[in-house]
Amino acid sequence: GQNIDQPTEMTATEGAIVQINCTYQTSGFNGLFWYQQHAGEAPTFLSYNVLDGLEEKGRFSSFLSRSKGYSYLLLKELQMKDSASYLCAVTGSGAGSYQLTFGKGTKLSVIP
Amino acid sequence: KAGVTQTPRYLIKTRGQQVTLSCSPISGHRSVSWYQQTPGQGLQFLFEYFSETQRNKGNFPGRFSGRQFSNSRSEMNVSTLELGDSALYLCASSLSEGSNEKLFFGSGTQLSVL
Repeated sequence: GQNIDQPTEMTATEGAIVQINCTYQTSGFNGLFWYQQHAGEAPTFLSYNVLDGLEEKGRFSSFLSRSKGYSYLLLKELQMKDSASYLCAVTGSGAGSYQLTFGKGTKLSVIP
Repeated sequence: KAGVTQTPRYLIKTRGQQVTLSCSPISGHRSVSWYQQTPGQGLQFLFEYFSETQRNKGNFPGRFSGRQFSNSRSEMNVSTLELGDSALYLCASSLSEGSNEKLFFGSGTQLSVL
């Protein structure tokens, strides 16, 4: 099975940097996704990591260590609109590759 | 290009009834997945379809079923509704059959069971 852990809530200041961690234990692993979900809206894709290392995309970066079962999402130059839930999700192997297993999400509040 | 469309947006049912939710994927997308989202459990996988075939199913009782049509549109059905079925049901589509394809989510159907 899959088990994914991420902090429930975080608070950060506008303009600052915040790192949201995600750890996972899986019976098979293919890749790791990060999604952003604003309250009352659909989740939207942020990043996908399959190899170890850092993927940078504008103000957002995502890191993966497969050996440690660990990922983080780094948000720079925080803006008020970044207040949202951030969902870590993994895909497994075999039939499990056709589903995403999500963590319960980290609710980020950005304050002035 | 239109996004993933789910209907209805809101639904209120009573215990014991059954419900059918509809999902139209992005044009050209052949894979459709369904997820249940609740405050306590987060997003949980229900099932995934590709070319009218169910490739994987999550750990939900048999009351939850789905299907996909030849035009890739999908429906999910929940029979004998229980209070605990109250949730946001999200449909997502992706372009092809690979596991590294990002999902595009619809806005969901908010189901309330009274």
